[in-house]
Amino acid sequence: EIVLTQSPGTLSLSPGERATLSCRASQSVSSSYLAWYQQKPGQAPRLLIYGASSRATGIPDRFSGSGSGTDFTLTISRLEPEDFAVYYCQQYGSSPRITFGGGTKVEIK
Amino acid sequence: QVQLVQSGAEVKKPGASVKVSCKASGYTFTSYDINWVRQATGQGLEWMGWMNPNSGNTGYAQKFQGRVTMTRNTSISTAYMELSSLRSEDTAVYYCAREVSSGWFAGSYYYGMDVWGQGTTVTVSS
Repeated sequence: EIVLTQSPGTLSLSPGERATLSCRASQSVSSSYLAWYQQKPGQAPRLLIYGASSRATGIPDRFSGSGSGTDFTLTISRLEPEDFAVYYCQQYGSSPRITFGGGTKVEIK
Repeated sequence: QVQLVQSGAEVKKPGASVKVSCKASGYTFTSYDINWVRQATGQGLEWMGWMNPNSGNTGYAQKFQGRVTMTRNTSISTAYMELSSLRSEDTAVYYCAREVSSGWFAGSYYYGMDVWGQGTTVTVSS
């Protein structure tokens, strides 16, 4: 079973700064099967990125994803006030079909 | 618009069962798999299982095998998740989510879970 480890656990930044979030897999993952989600308090998760680097519909281009193999990154180029949230990476596989990372909280410094 | 609307909050006693519904609208219900994900207060996302609404095929996370059942009623575009033998640790918000994929096989595509229900709070307490 693939384990996804996200780091850091919490990222304290100011609006306008760049955020770099890491997702490391315990074994190689196809980049086609790596997604990122944003979740705000009291809301359902929202799909940001699929296929490691493709933005979902309506996602601003300040969000970008990259990586391959065991190391993946979500970058928010310039943080807007609405971007402070928790971010999860997620892998799609055979068994189990879905695995989530533990999440990274991006908080206002 | 495309949406998933879940049933309301539930309060159950330990040992009971709960059945949460997820009604799809704005798209062809049988064309997309449905996943169920839960989240305890202050915790991360935990995947429970998936269901293909067309075939009724399901797959469950090992942790929930034997306690969870996912079904559907295609005539009303509704998916269901039933969890039995409830314990306090099952207190959580339960989400359904639409998956955009071709299903798991070599060379399949996966575009993520793009539509989520609003969540159903299940509280297990004596």
